[in-house]
Amino acid sequence: GAVVSQHPSWVICKSGTSVKIECRSLDFQATTMFWYRQFPKQSLMLMATSNEGSKATYEQGVEKDKFLINHASLTLSTLTVTSAHPEDSSFYICSARLRTSGSNEQFFGPGTRLTVL
Amino acid sequence: AQSVTQPDIHITVSEGASLELRCNYSYGATPYLFWYVQSPGQGLQLLLKYFSGDTLVQGIKGFEAEFKRSQSSFNLRKPSVHWSDAAEYFCAVGALIDSWGKLQFGAGTQVVVTP
Repeated sequence: GAVVSQHPSWVICKSGTSVKIECRSLDFQATTMFWYRQFPKQSLMLMATSNEGSKATYEQGVEKDKFLINHASLTLSTLTVTSAHPEDSSFYICSARLRTSGSNEQFFGPGTRLTVL
Repeated sequence: AQSVTQPDIHITVSEGASLELRCNYSYGATPYLFWYVQSPGQGLQLLLKYFSGDTLVQGIKGFEAEFKRSQSSFNLRKPSVHWSDAAEYFCAVGALIDSWGKLQFGAGTQVVVTP
């Protein structure tokens, strides 16, 4: 149980285009979903926290107009990288927190590798 | 300020030898503690977690960790490593009072297993 999927697993796009990444909790309802960014050989950097039906909360330094997050249901959150540039190339990982959980345990997706040419 | 420190960026260990990965935290509130493992190009897999109770926690793949409040540490151990244990390991800390459940991750420790 507690499986999180991401789609696509990798994407290559041209500079200036927008890319949408989906994060789904497959067998549970997620109160909260998180989006992380990971540069090569570095740790995970939290970008934003999203709760179903409300606006995402972005971490300091993360441009909310560039990284659009929509959390339309308890099982789906999307991250759209708008007007992507080569510096946005990175590994994006989502996680989901179990709705009924009183703990902070997060279940992670397999990640999406974004390459912007 | 809250922080999570993994002092060892890189550890090389022989197959069959024991492994210990260090994690120290600085948190004002009662912490939740986690260890995750990440293989190249993959997401994170939970190895074990500590919320309360017994301070020695058993996880998957033969790993265990011990919470030592007096030392603000949560070190991960495995008595005998296998080649498949080569990966990146992350310690993470969350606060009991954080209703959103945000986690703060350490920088990670890269484990290399030699024959």
